[in-house]
This record gives sequence, structure tokens and C-alpha cells, in this order.
Amino acid sequence: AQSVTQPDIHITVSEGASLELRCNYSYGATPYLFWYVQSPGQGLQLLLKYFSGDTLVQGIKGFEAEFKRSQSSFNLRKPSVHWSDAAEYFCAVGATGTASKLTFGTGTRLQVTL
Amino acid sequence: SAVISQKPSRDICQRGTSLTIQCQVDSQVTMMFWYRQQPGQSLTLIATANQGSEATYESGFVIDKFPISRPNLTFSTLTVSNMSPEDSSIYLCSALGLGYNEQFFGPGTRLTVL
Repeated sequence: AQSVTQPDIHITVSEGASLELRCNYSYGATPYLFWYVQSPGQGLQLLLKYFSGDTLVQGIKGFEAEFKRSQSSFNLRKPSVHWSDAAEYFCAVGATGTASKLTFGTGTRLQVTL
Repeated sequence: SAVISQKPSRDICQRGTSLTIQCQVDSQVTMMFWYRQQPGQSLTLIATANQGSEATYESGFVIDKFPISRPNLTFSTLTVSNMSPEDSSIYLCSALGLGYNEQFFGPGTRLTVL
């Protein structure tokens, strides 16, 4: 069965600092990988996704993520965090070929200090 | 992309009662899903809503407790039956786009059971 681990429950960064959120997955074949963001009282918004090809994927709001098969990781990065980035971030894995059966990590809550 | 709306956005209910949550998508989608997000936790898939037939439930979820309907391609309902305080959660509807490569999420319904 597929699984996702987000080791950091809560991260605090200063505005303007760089950010990296960790995600490790377990899946037998090539997974579909996703990062979603959930702001307070909001639904989930897709930041980016990886299916195949270039292992560095660009997303919305200046986010990027790198797929590393050897490490079973798909870490999310942003070079300069804005106060509006404070939210809950979820990594998810889907079975090859579809985004239908998603398994989510436990999430990382990002706090941004001014 | 698809925009998903849910009604109600939140509700406070008494133990033993039932609540039906509605989910409407503004465009054609393929599959629709219902998730539960318990306080401080990640998303757990409850079931896949199938058009015109019984929903497909994940392990730990049963039709008697969470009856689901999907009468057409863009509308689904989830009923939380015989509620207890343990059912207090956010319930999210999602839909898989026509390319099968992205799930769109509704804003969620925040349910509190007293």
C-alpha cells in the first residue's frame, strides 16, 4: 500500500527566508506526487504535481519541488517566503497513471514570522 | 479546472441526528470523492461516489453510516447518519478532472456534533 510521511508537523520561518518542506513516500512503482496547500477555512489548492520527466517541477505561488527516486522524496521549496504562505501543506501520492486514489501525509503547518 | 461548492459550510448538530452535505461541481468531471479530515489530522478517503450506482467505500467506512449519492456527473451528497461527537470533522468533496491527473477540492463542511 502507498503511504506518505511528512516528518515536520510544524515549521516556523521568517518572512523572506527560504523554505523546504519534507515529504517521503512509499510506493512500488512510479508514483504520481502532489503538494496541496490548505489555508484556514479553505479547501485544498494544488500547488504542483509530478508525473514523469523533469524531476524539478514548478508550481504556483513560486513553489517548486524535486522528485528524488533514490531517496523516495518529493520536497517542496520556496526561495523567499511571504507572510501569506502561512498555511497547512499536504503531500500526497497517487497510483501510477491517475490522481484518483490519493493518500495524504499528515501535513506540515507553516508559520511565518514578520 | 473545476470549481466545487459545498453546502452547508458548517453546522452544529445533536447526537443521534443525521446531516446531508451537498457537493456541486461547475464543470464536467470524471470521479467524485468524499474525504474526512478530523481535527488536527490529515485527509482520509471515505468513498468514491459513483454515478447511478452504489458508492465504493474505503476500509473502515460503511454505507449505513455514510450513505452517498451521485445522481448525475456534477452533483453528489454525503449523509452522516446517527451522529456522535466522534463524527466532528471537516468533510471535503473532491472531483477528478477529465485528464485524470488532478483532484479539485471543495471548501469543506465543518461539522460539530454535540
